[in-house]
Amino acid sequence: ELKVEQNPLFLSMQEGKNYTIYCNYSTTSDRLYWYRQDPGKSLESLFVLLSNGAVKQEGRLMASLDTKARLSTLHITAAVHDLSATYFCAGGYGNKLVFGAGTILRVKS
Amino acid sequence: NAGVTQTPKFRVLKTGQSMTLLCAQDMNHEYMYWYRQDPGMGLRLIHYSVGEGTTAKGEVPDGYNVSRLKKQNFLLGLESAAPSQTSVYFCASSYSRVGAGGELFFGEGSRLTVL
Repeated sequence: ELKVEQNPLFLSMQEGKNYTIYCNYSTTSDRLYWYRQDPGKSLESLFVLLSNGAVKQEGRLMASLDTKARLSTLHITAAVHDLSATYFCAGGYGNKLVFGAGTILRVKS
Repeated sequence: NAGVTQTPKFRVLKTGQSMTLLCAQDMNHEYMYWYRQDPGMGLRLIHYSVGEGTTAKGEVPDGYNVSRLKKQNFLLGLESAAPSQTSVYFCASSYSRVGAGGELFFGEGSRLTVL
C-alpha cells in the first residue's frame, strides 16, 4: 500500500528566502503530483512528474523526482507572499492518487 | 465549460439523517473520485469509478455508498450520517488513470457538518 509523507507540515518563511518541501513515498509510485490549495478553495494542479530525474519549473517553484530514493522535492526560490498556501504531494498508483498530509506555507514580509 | 461541479456546496445534517452529494463533469472523463479532507490528514480517497456503471472502494469507504449510472455523474451517499463524517468532500475526474499520468481535475468542494 502506497503511503506518502511530507515534511515539514508547517513552514514559515521570510520573503526572498529559499526553501524546500520534501515528499517521501513508501513503495513504487507510477507518478508524482504536486497541488496547491488556497484556504477554502479547491486544489490546483502544479506539476506532474512522470519519470526518474524529471524536473519541472513554473515561476518560483521547481519540482523534481528521484524514484530510486522515493523522494520528490518542491523548491521555492525567493519566496513572495502570494505563495502562501497549502501544498500537497500525491503519488499515483494504478487508479488511485494517495495524498500526503500537506505543507502549510506562510510567507512573511 | 464548467469542469467539475459539486452540489450542494454546504449542508448541515443531524446524526442519522441521509443525504446525497452530486458530482457532475462535462469533460467526458472516464475516471471519477470522491475524497474527504480533514485538517492535518490531507485528502483520503472514499470511492472511485473507472467508468460508467463501475465503482470501487478507496481508503475510507465505510459509511458511504456511491453510484455511477451516467458517465458524467458520480453520486456519494450517506445513509445514516455520523459526526465523524463532518468534513469537506471533493470530487475529481480524470481522462486516464493516475498511474499513467492522468491529471485530476477537482470540484470546489462540499462542506458537510453533522451535528
